[in-house]
Amino acid sequence: DTAVSQTPKYLVTQMGNDKSIKCEQNLGHDTMYWYKQDSKKFLKIMFSYNNKELIINETVPNRFSPKSPDKAHLNLHINSLELGDSAVYFCASSQDRVANNYGYTFGSGTRLTVV
Amino acid sequence: GDSVTQMEGPVTLSEEAFLTINCTYTATGYPSLFWYVQYPGEGLQLLLKATKADDKGSNKGFEATYRKETTSFHLEKGSVQVSDSAVYFCALRVYGNNRLAFGKGNQVVVIP
Repeated sequence: DTAVSQTPKYLVTQMGNDKSIKCEQNLGHDTMYWYKQDSKKFLKIMFSYNNKELIINETVPNRFSPKSPDKAHLNLHINSLELGDSAVYFCASSQDRVANNYGYTFGSGTRLTVV
Repeated sequence: GDSVTQMEGPVTLSEEAFLTINCTYTATGYPSLFWYVQYPGEGLQLLLKATKADDKGSNKGFEATYRKETTSFHLEKGSVQVSDSAVYFCALRVYGNNRLAFGKGNQVVVIP
């Protein structure tokens, strides 16, 4: 059983298109995250939801919109895709909002290529 | 704010060599410290962690000790294998903050 699953694994699309990436976790965690990893492997947090409530919203273009229908799902919708959006996007989840003993569990990533 | 600094640049070494990756941190509160590993084409996996000063985390032959006096959490392995080739990330999380702050990562390449 996959703990944090993302779909699709690969996504190739043209500039200007709208696309979504889905994420689901079966760990019972109440907090989920989206990270962007650039070509130099640098990880940048984008969003975080705790029990469907947005708690982290970094400086991200408003073309990016997260949606959390329930605490087990966090989807990322991207409008009007640009070349600079090409990256690997990782979903993650964690067990508790306050306790810091726990790290995150990551999905395997979605490699987005905008052409 | 909370931040992690990893040594610059990739690390290339021969099989069975000793590996050290430096990690230092700045924290606004009391942090837990983590090392994550990313194998090619995969997501990040938790390698080890330490939640209080002087704790040593260990896994798969890797070790790191939480040093509060030097604000460090260096990763070590005594004898690396080709299969250890990956990107390694140091991270911290402060109590009361759900944000995990990552370092920039170090690419490790082990040559047979």
